[in-house]
Amino acid sequence: EAGVAQSPRYKIIEKRQSVAFWCNPISGHATLYWYQQILGQGPKLLIQFQNNGVVDDSQLPKDRFSAERLKGVDSTLKIQPAKLEDSAVYLCASSLDSIYEQYFGPGTRLTVT
Amino acid sequence: AQSVTQLGSHVSVSEGALVLLRCNYSSSVPPYLFWYVQYPNQGLQLLLKYTSAATLVKGINGFEAEFKKSETSFHLTKPSAHMSDAAEYFCAVSGPSGSARQLTFGSGTQLTVLP
Repeated sequence: EAGVAQSPRYKIIEKRQSVAFWCNPISGHATLYWYQQILGQGPKLLIQFQNNGVVDDSQLPKDRFSAERLKGVDSTLKIQPAKLEDSAVYLCASSLDSIYEQYFGPGTRLTVT
Repeated sequence: AQSVTQLGSHVSVSEGALVLLRCNYSSSVPPYLFWYVQYPNQGLQLLLKYTSAATLVKGINGFEAEFKKSETSFHLTKPSAHMSDAAEYFCAVSGPSGSARQLTFGSGTQLTVLP
């Protein structure tokens, strides 16, 4: 069974530029999560989708971050414009449903210069 | 509200020695507790989880953890460290239902295994 796929794996941009990350969850998984992991910290939930609807985006900085999950499968997370403090690893996870174990992708390491 | 405190951001042990990684939690509802491992440039992998059944939980790769409600702890142990255990370990807490099911992670403990 294929795992959670993410791309790109690494991205370097300058501040004020925009960037987008892509996630393909495990087939059949209804719940999809985006986490931000800053160096030296644990992952912090940014947004949770159930199928193509948002369950919780309370910790998403909505002035610059946006996310969508069209058709309830793939998802994209966008940052526009990026700030230095957005440098982090962005992890995508999926689960069969919200009550089940989360499976994590390898992450996208973003460096903002 | 839920939170996790991992004591010791870095732990070093010799190969073959006992591994003990500490985790204390705070939760307003009966907690579910998890340990994840993260190898360099990889995502998180679930080691084990406590979901209100047996208080001693056995996981993969020889790890186990004991839920102690009186101490609000969920420490991770392994009797004998291997070089391959070198990684970062995260403790996480969630509630049993609804929005409380979301994971709240600790800040992680980097485990180094010395030859």
